[in-house]
Amino acid sequence: AAGVIQSPRHLIKEKRETATLKCYPIPRHDTVYWYQQGPGQDPQFLISFYEKMQSDKGSIPDRFSAQQFSDYHSELNMSSLELGDSALYFCASSGRLRNNEKLFFGSGTQLSVL
Amino acid sequence: DAKTTQPNSMESNEEEPVHLPCNHSTISGTDYIHWYRQLPSQGPEYVIHGLTSNVNNRMASLAIAEDRKSSTLILHRATLRDAAVYYCILSVPYTDKLIFGTGTRLQVFP
Repeated sequence: AAGVIQSPRHLIKEKRETATLKCYPIPRHDTVYWYQQGPGQDPQFLISFYEKMQSDKGSIPDRFSAQQFSDYHSELNMSSLELGDSALYFCASSGRLRNNEKLFFGSGTQLSVL
Repeated sequence: DAKTTQPNSMESNEEEPVHLPCNHSTISGTDYIHWYRQLPSQGPEYVIHGLTSNVNNRMASLAIAEDRKSSTLILHRATLRDAAVYYCILSVPYTDKLIFGTGTRLQVFP
C-alpha cells in the first residue's frame, strides 16, 4: 500500500540558508500535518492543512511557512536557518483528524544545519 | 488542552503481556484517546484509539476506565519488535492537531 512520501530523506544546510521539505500524502487523504522532532525530544506539532487551507497551527516559527497544493502534496519552507532547526521533520496524512481518522506518518526528513 | 501522564519507561520479557498505563484526569467528554508508537529511527505509527468503550485491533487492546480518567494499552504478547516509545494522546476537539507528550519507552527482553 502507498505510504506517505517525504523528500529529501536527508538535507544539510548552513546557517541563514533556506530549505524546502516536501510531503506527498497517501492518495485520497485530504489532511496533511507537519511535526518537528529534535534530538531526544518528542514530536512537536507545527501545522496542519485540510483541503489546501491551513487548519491548525502549533509551535511553528515565523521563519517557517507551509502550504498544501492542488494535488494535496505539501511543502514546508524554512528560511534563515538556525542551528536549533536541526531536527527530524515528519509529515503525516489522514482523512480529517477531527473526524477521528488515524494519522499515517512518513519516514521523515533529517535536517542538519551547520 | 487536556494532558496525559505516562511512566517514563517500562520493561517486559518477550511473549509476556504488557500493560501500559495512561492517566488523563482532565479529559473532557468529547476527547478521544489515541495511542501511537515510535520505533527507533522511524515516524510514529498508529496503534489504537477509543472514546468510551474498550477497543481491540490486531495490534493491541485499549481498556478505558469507566470514569475515563485513565486508560491502559495492552500488548497481548510482546515481541522484540514492540520495543518503542508509546504515546498516549488526547485529541483536541474540533481541531486537526495531535499533541504528543512524553511517552513510555518500552524495552522488551528476549
